Amino acid sequence: AQKITQTQPGMFVQEKEAVTLDCTYDTSDQSYGLFWYKQPSSGEMIFLIYQGSYDEQNATEGRYSLNFQKARKSANLVISASQLGDSAMYFCAGQRGSGGSNYKLTFGKGTLLTVNP
Amino acid sequence: GAVVSQHPSWVICKSGTSVKIECRSLDFQATTMFWYRQFPKQSLMLMATSNEGSKATYEQGVEKDKFLINHASLTLSTLTVTSAHPEDSSFYICSAPRGFGANVLTFGAGSRLTVL
Repeated sequence: AQKITQTQPGMFVQEKEAVTLDCTYDTSDQSYGLFWYKQPSSGEMIFLIYQGSYDEQNATEGRYSLNFQKARKSANLVISASQLGDSAMYFCAGQRGSGGSNYKLTFGKGTLLTVNP
Repeated sequence: GAVVSQHPSWVICKSGTSVKIECRSLDFQATTMFWYRQFPKQSLMLMATSNEGSKATYEQGVEKDKFLINHASLTLSTLTVTSAHPEDSSFYICSAPRGFGANVLTFGAGSRLTVL
């Protein structure tokens, strides 16, 4: 089984600054995947970034990067140059396996990010 | 890109009635879809895995007879909340694996159910 922990219920950041959202995971699997999704107030879940357990380099997607520290079992999301539109709920999620054999996601409790002008 | 359409986006019903929510993959086929439930200000909890052509797989604690899932085709899965009660009021969101890599889930926009 997997457990995903997000310890920050809420975070504030000034526009144009960078922010780190924390995520730790607990799994006995050797192969797994870690995801970050954004959920604006409208409710839709938007995929941001993915990191496989065997990926040696940290994933990056535009302003999003994933700080993957396997030994610490952490997969923090870094958002650079925050924009007002980044204000949303952010969920970290884990997936068993990393080859598409099991798509189920286990979600953390989420972090509500507010970007101040 | 991969699009998952969910309908209705919101529904209000009386206690005791049944409500059907549809989840469609618009530009790809999905042999597997996932149904999640989200209470206000909480995380997404997986309810069941919908499998095309076979029975759904329910997570522990989810009532099969209350939440009926039918995966009638490669592009459509439906969730029927039977004999709905106020405690069933929630945000229901479906997802399917597609896009950005085989293991990434694309989510529908969700359906907000309110049972009076």
